[in-house]
Amino acid sequence: SQQGEEDPQALSIQEGENATMNCSYKTSINNLQWYRQNSGRGLVHLILIRSNEREKHSGRLRVTLDTSKKSSSLLITASRAADTASYFCATGFQKLVFGTGTRLLVSP
Amino acid sequence: EAQVTQNPRYLITVTGKKLTVTCSQNMNHEYMSWYRQDPGLGLRQIYYSMNVEVTDKGDVPEGYKVSRKEKRNFPLILESPSPNQTSLYFCASSTIRDRNYEQYFGPGTRLTVT
Repeated sequence: SQQGEEDPQALSIQEGENATMNCSYKTSINNLQWYRQNSGRGLVHLILIRSNEREKHSGRLRVTLDTSKKSSSLLITASRAADTASYFCATGFQKLVFGTGTRLLVSP
Repeated sequence: EAQVTQNPRYLITVTGKKLTVTCSQNMNHEYMSWYRQDPGLGLRQIYYSMNVEVTDKGDVPEGYKVSRKEKRNFPLILESPSPNQTSLYFCASSTIRDRNYEQYFGPGTRLTVT
């Protein structure tokens, strides 16, 4: 059961630009997490936002959550080539469900 | 260093030959989980464990077994592998004390079944 769907599937930008990716989910949640995956490697947790939060920041990351629309967005400001990766949203507790991801390419 | 380790990292095997992928974490996490990742399908949960001797099915448990005899280890067992189990497998762990389930992932095991 696929809970999160990311949009766009792929995104290509230049260094210094901002990258925005979106996640939609189907059922009510207690929190939503974002993860990054470098090619073929394990996922790395980026940020968690609780259902009673609307926005959260961590360094160059900004996450928003709109529970009425069942959607979240991840903004990466001033992108760097090292941000090139796939980004996934995930919801749930014990049964964590991931979306299909957004592939971000940041060109120098 | 806090980490989740998996072995082997790469495995090529034949249909029907039993195999085990090991997973170990050194963070004293209660929760551990297995996922498979396939192109276009994202990550799908196979099994998870809330603590020692407590395991439960994820979304795609068919053809897999797990055990949790010790807190640090959570092996994934394929008793009779088939080609449709060719995939990239990830083990993950997290504490459940804060109910956030922020997961730490292992480096992955790429399995090919011929």
